[in-house]
Amino acid sequence: DAGVTQSPTHLIKTRGQQVTLRCSPKSGHDTVSWYQQALGQGPQFIFQYYEEEERQRGNFPDRFSGHQFPNYSSELNVNALLLGDSALYLCASSFPLAGRETQYFGPGTRLLVL
Amino acid sequence: KNEVEQSPQNLTAQEGEFITINCSYSVGISALHWLQQHPGGGIVSLFMLSSGKKKHGRLIATINIQEKHSSLHITASHPRDSAVYICAVKRGTDKLIFGTGTRLQVFP
Repeated sequence: DAGVTQSPTHLIKTRGQQVTLRCSPKSGHDTVSWYQQALGQGPQFIFQYYEEEERQRGNFPDRFSGHQFPNYSSELNVNALLLGDSALYLCASSFPLAGRETQYFGPGTRLLVL
Repeated sequence: KNEVEQSPQNLTAQEGEFITINCSYSVGISALHWLQQHPGGGIVSLFMLSSGKKKHGRLIATINIQEKHSSLHITASHPRDSAVYICAVKRGTDKLIFGTGTRLQVFP
């Protein structure tokens, strides 16, 4: 079991560009959550996908959008990049079972916006 | 005020010392996670707690639901324990709210 995988590992973009980050959940997991972690800060919840639908969203603008595919993998898209979008983007997968749920995190994608 | 507060923010220790990291939260939760993040960013889930105490190797996590407080203890600390330890609380079924982390450095 490969666990949660993310691609790419590192990415450099310029202001105004668009970026797509990808996440494959741990085998058997059907829920994917995305988090943004700025340098020196704890991760902030962006949104969560379950059954190909956005189930809950954090306090992020509409420039941040996502998608979940039938195989449960997910993409995070960010449009019109700003310098402040530079961060580590973490994906976590989980499988809710009778109220017990552990989130497994991927290694993250480090995005630098110049 | 953050909904999840950790203390201390930074912690240094000598190898072999007993370490305690504290987490307080101000909201109702369904579970609390302790996570470990190494340089480079990867996060590993150490514990998920909803009550009582859990132990795994040299790590012990406790939670007091009434006091809205949790502690992570590391016994016989080792330089490889150096990392950022993050407390995160789960509200309902949907999202985690993270503390800002405690940076631990253990010196030989």
